[in-house]
Amino acid sequence: KNQVEQSPQSLIILEGKNCTLQCNYTVSPFSNLRWYKQDTGRGPVSLTIMTFSENTKSNGRYTATLDADTKQSSLHITASQLSDSASYICVVNLYSSASKIIFGSGTRLSIRP
Amino acid sequence: GAVVSQHPSWVICKSGTSVKIECRSLDFQATTMFWYRQFPKQSLMLMATSNEGSKATYEQGVEKDKFLINHASLTLSTLTVTSAHPEDSSFYICSANPGLAGGGRLPGWNEQFFGPGTRLTVL
Repeated sequence: KNQVEQSPQSLIILEGKNCTLQCNYTVSPFSNLRWYKQDTGRGPVSLTIMTFSENTKSNGRYTATLDADTKQSSLHITASQLSDSASYICVVNLYSSASKIIFGSGTRLSIRP
Repeated sequence: GAVVSQHPSWVICKSGTSVKIECRSLDFQATTMFWYRQFPKQSLMLMATSNEGSKATYEQGVEKDKFLINHASLTLSTLTVTSAHPEDSSFYICSANPGLAGGGRLPGWNEQFFGPGTRLTVL
């Protein structure tokens, strides 16, 4: 069964600290993996996208890693800011098709001042 | 680039009325558009997939007669919630996929670009 699991479900950290979010997937055939940020009451916004051959991808203070052998991905946030408070969703594409995507349940991140 | 808009951003209606939500790709043509529903603290749930000029494909458990989808052009899809009831209150999000509409596998061709969502409250 194709699944995408994220952990932790929720996380609270102090402003300025770093954090790492996890995503494990059992999806086949794998095409690519994306991390999205979803602010409350808004649609998801893409942060990074990685294909099978990519190990890491950065977007400012966000760095995503991918281990295709263990089928794990992580999203590392450096020097967190209050505006980073949001849900972070891991999404995996199958078949290189936009129609075949599996959503993770998300990690709700709260940054405290 | 790749901006998707939704209108309205929020709507409140009485039970039994119908509500139409528009989804537009502003700077690209979308071969396919998707409609999602999201309940509080839950992930997005795909409701239906629509291709321009053809009937939408609904996910299991989604009533096609209740959630009418029209994809009349490559830049516009509409979702109409008919005879809305309080249990239909939710956050509705659309996404658009360029596909090969741009003439080939351009960057983002197989990606879904999401709209900002529409909050529906049925009283």
